[in-house]
Amino acid sequence: GAVVSQHPSWVICKSGTSVKIECRSLDFQATTMFWYRQFPKQSLMLMATSNEGSKATYEQGVEKDKFLINHASLTLSTLTVTSAHPEDSSFYICSARDGTGVSHGYTFGSGTRLTVV
Amino acid sequence: GQNIDQPTEMTATEGAIVQINCTYQTSGFNGLFWYQQHAGEAPTFLSYNVLDGLEEKGRFSSFLSRSKGYSYLLLKELQMKDSASYLCADQAGTALIFGKGTTLSVSS
Repeated sequence: GAVVSQHPSWVICKSGTSVKIECRSLDFQATTMFWYRQFPKQSLMLMATSNEGSKATYEQGVEKDKFLINHASLTLSTLTVTSAHPEDSSFYICSARDGTGVSHGYTFGSGTRLTVV
Repeated sequence: GQNIDQPTEMTATEGAIVQINCTYQTSGFNGLFWYQQHAGEAPTFLSYNVLDGLEEKGRFSSFLSRSKGYSYLLLKELQMKDSASYLCADQAGTALIFGKGTTLSVSS
């Protein structure tokens, strides 16, 4: 089945530094990927939609200059949290449209736990 | 826009049946999903409804009424491992938009 590999699974960084999170589709081409953020005991909030070869579409309230998304190939999308602060500590998870019927087209990465100290 | 509502918490006992409701008000409805999520893990796909009616899949079933903007997830023969968050999600456009999730606690 379709697999999305997300890396790293967890990261601790110092306030003011940048962190890059990668999502790779392993056995399919993902023209569209989605990035979500989840705070403790809350649901997944869509941050942006990433389209291969074009600029990402950000949801209202999400700072595009802070959360840089790059989708340079059909199998890789990256989210860079720039100048991270403690309030950016969260669970970040990506999803890709896989075009299969098993999960009706959406495959999720395993998530990245970001802690900013 | 999207407005997806589901109860915050529910409790039940092993072996029981529980129904988790979800109401939605969206533009451009393309399907209703249910996911299970354990803390710190990715959500796991449970069901998808695009037509009215009941979809049964083992111990889990999902129902949809498009005219009422209503869905429910029915869990039968509850087990302790079913303790998790259950997320209702609407496919509006290309992305999935999630409700706030229902935390289900199953006790013995």
